[in-house]
Amino acid sequence: KAGVTQTPRYLIKTRGQQVTLSCSPISGHRSVSWYQQTPGQGLQFLFEYFSETQRNKGNFPGRFSGRQFSNSRSEMNVSTLELGDSALYLCASSLLSSGRAGETQYFGPGTRLLVL
Amino acid sequence: AQKVTQAQTEISVVEKEDVTLDCVYETRDTTYYLFWYKQPPSGELVFLIRRNSFDEQNEISGRYSWNFQKSTSSFNFTITASQVVDSAVYFCALSEDNYGQNFVFGPGTRLSVLP
Repeated sequence: KAGVTQTPRYLIKTRGQQVTLSCSPISGHRSVSWYQQTPGQGLQFLFEYFSETQRNKGNFPGRFSGRQFSNSRSEMNVSTLELGDSALYLCASSLLSSGRAGETQYFGPGTRLLVL
Repeated sequence: AQKVTQAQTEISVVEKEDVTLDCVYETRDTTYYLFWYKQPPSGELVFLIRRNSFDEQNEISGRYSWNFQKSTSSFNFTITASQVVDSAVYFCALSEDNYGQNFVFGPGTRLSVLP
């Protein structure tokens, strides 16, 4: 079974631009979560989607948004990029057959975003 | 509020030494889940183990073992006879029992295994 895939793997943008990252979960997985990883703040939860609905949101400004499609693929968008948005963005999927939390999340390789 | 602490920022050992990575967590829930992930230089987080709060049995998987103690809110990870390929950043994570997947990660411990 293929793992979680993320595209693109690397991105360079300039301040003020917007960016869209894509995540394809493991086949059959219904939950997709996004995390931001930086050297200073570590791994921080952005949001989670389950059956096309955002169920959880971390403490990030409204410039960070996402969505999930009917095939469980998810996209994350960051508008008006700032230098501090430079990070590794990780996507994780889980089966979540029961809809509850605590199931293992499987991570993709990440998208490394550099904002200049 | 949930919190995960990994007090060891960096550890260096020589190959074949045993090493223990510490993880201390905080939660008000009685039902929760603990995880360990490995992040090699490639960046992808690799799942190692999941443990729920009602299962305090220690677990061994090859050279890896985990010691879960609710009394001290700790979930420590030991690598026996370390190898160079074990060099990575290791993260401990906590998930409370509610709707929505929201893992809280510790800051990570960077393990360097020297030949």
